[in-house]
Amino acid sequence: DGGITQSPKYLFRKEGQNVTLSCEQNLNHDAMYWYRQDPGQGLRLIYYSQIVNDFQKGDIAEGYSVSREKKESFPLTVTSAQKNPTAFYLCASRHGGAVGYTFGSGTRLTVV
Amino acid sequence: DAKTTQPTSMDCAEGRAANLPCNHSTISGNEYVYWYRQIHSQGPQYIIHGLKNNETNEMASLIITEDRKSSTLILPHATLRDTAVYYCIVKLDGQNFVFGPGTRLSVLP
Repeated sequence: DGGITQSPKYLFRKEGQNVTLSCEQNLNHDAMYWYRQDPGQGLRLIYYSQIVNDFQKGDIAEGYSVSREKKESFPLTVTSAQKNPTAFYLCASRHGGAVGYTFGSGTRLTVV
Repeated sequence: DAKTTQPTSMDCAEGRAANLPCNHSTISGNEYVYWYRQIHSQGPQYIIHGLKNNETNEMASLIITEDRKSSTLILPHATLRDTAVYYCIVKLDGQNFVFGPGTRLSVLP
């Protein structure tokens, strides 16, 4: 079945370490997105990519980096510059021109 | 972008219809109304969307007022598994989505 896979589901890291969250899709979707969600809050856009080898900052890009070397993959790196990285991270994709998003099941990152 | 306003929370008895309102008084003519829901600790799930006409699918119905300034998502026979946060989003086709705090629906036995 086609879908989006985020891994791992839970991730623990020490403060000051960079960590990379994986997002893979086999839907042949052009656009991919990373969102952050804090408890009781909505989703905030971190980065998005409309096409391979191109990406744009969202509303809260500081302290994060991404790459889009393949259509299927859009990994997110949470760097040590991100002041409060503990959150629930969601990846989504959308086919060009289609109206809806498909979301992954999320990665819960805890920095201790 | 049109701003949306939703109640913070709602309760609904199991088996009854759940009617979730959304105000979007600044909506423009080409902006769609989308509804998603998020069950705890999962990614949001698409429910339904519409432009001007009322829409129905296997999950829900979407009623959009004639002036398009508000809409209502209807879950005709709510079950406990419909307990979730419901997001109303107004966007032009192709624009990035913004997910506000939504409405927390609790379906009670």
